[in-house]
Amino acid sequence: GIQVEQSPPDLILQEGANSTLRCNFSDSVNNLQWFHQNPWGQLINLFYIPSGTKQNGRLSATTVATERYSLLYISSSQTTDSGVYFCAVEGPTDYKLSFGAGTTVTVRA
Amino acid sequence: DVKVTQSSRYLVKRTGEKVFLECVQDMDHENMFWYRQDPGLGLRLIYFSYDVKMKEKGDIPEGYSVSREKKERFSLILESASTNQTSMYLCASSSGTGGEKLFFGSGTQLSVL
Repeated sequence: GIQVEQSPPDLILQEGANSTLRCNFSDSVNNLQWFHQNPWGQLINLFYIPSGTKQNGRLSATTVATERYSLLYISSSQTTDSGVYFCAVEGPTDYKLSFGAGTTVTVRA
Repeated sequence: DVKVTQSSRYLVKRTGEKVFLECVQDMDHENMFWYRQDPGLGLRLIYFSYDVKMKEKGDIPEGYSVSREKKERFSLILESASTNQTSMYLCASSSGTGGEKLFFGSGTQLSVL
């Protein structure tokens, strides 16, 4: 199946800093999503972005499908941004999302 | 707002017990999924369903079964719980129209003693 690699595995930020999370995948995709898991375990869908660029407040994401990667940008980070960020992809012959191992983000006040 | 509800937040069971984890969605979604999440292993798909009474194995179906008798409800069954099934279980749903977002429940932390 399709392989998904996320980097870095861990990220510590000072409040107000900007950061970039990366997701590499091994095949073409027809579905790519970014999720945030808060410290209480709830997974929230941030973006559905198989290609192109989207923005939602301080978060934005870009997927370059031809080069098989996606980036999640966090600007002016806040303590509430802490948690684990997952990238998940669905290949052209798959019927399910495969998740990366996640990036654990800690934002310090 | 989209809502996926899992019946229990925490559950403690004994080895050998039959365990039912229930999930209900109120969005009329076609697709429903069960994942388990373990430290260092991320999310792994156990089973999924694209229609009532239909089920497909995911990546780690051994030791589990599922039931989908109604569109809104998807149950995960551990026929004989074992300690290696101690995990966080997450239910999710999506609309089934293609390229749709996945929505998760809040999870059930199962401990098998």
